[in-house]
Amino acid sequence: ETGVTQTPRHLVMGMTNKKSLKCEQHLGHNAMYWYKQSAKKPLELMFVYNFKEQTENNSVPSRFSPECPNSSHLFLHLHTLQPEDSALYLCASSQGRGRETYEQYFGPGTRLTVT
Amino acid sequence: SQKIEQNSEALNIQEGKTATLTCNYTNYSPAYLQWYRQDPGRGPVFLLLIRENEKEKRKERLKVTFDTTLKQSLFHITASQPADSATYLCALDITGQGGKLIFGQGTELSVKP
Repeated sequence: ETGVTQTPRHLVMGMTNKKSLKCEQHLGHNAMYWYKQSAKKPLELMFVYNFKEQTENNSVPSRFSPECPNSSHLFLHLHTLQPEDSALYLCASSQGRGRETYEQYFGPGTRLTVT
Repeated sequence: SQKIEQNSEALNIQEGKTATLTCNYTNYSPAYLQWYRQDPGRGPVFLLLIRENEKEKRKERLKVTFDTTLKQSLFHITASQPADSATYLCALDITGQGGKLIFGQGTELSVKP
């Protein structure tokens, strides 16, 4: 148990559906992240939020829309996805950004399948 | 182009031996480098962090080296156990400001009893 929870753990959705992934951290961290992990590929950073402000958008298509209402919660809203978006979506948190680097704590991930 | 490469093949070793995993990078000047462990179907778990001005860092049976001249980090597990079997990821913090990690593709380690 890392202190980062994600729901749902598994999601199957059609290309015309709208769904949301939820992440919650219980570690008192100020930074939260969304990553995509496809088979045989490195983790790809998608979004970074620091103190509820988006500080990184790694050229992610607009069909992925993040939301961070507070430092403990992070959502990823999905709409009109493509089959190639099927992957493991991981949420992580860490202490806030500054002049130091911090380890990241990952949730268990949501396995997304787009049909 | 910027690249991070870990051992391209899976690594199979005998229990009790030392496992050595490699992380090479090009065209980056990372201030920090981190190593994570990932088990199937689970998120990565942080293991060790090393700074650019540190040559070596140890934690129990784990040892990490960081050679900024060679642009390489080595990750060692001594007295390996079957429970060490997992995929190991290296990650570079290229900004020195925390947060933005660039991950390698990982090396799958299998320790046979």
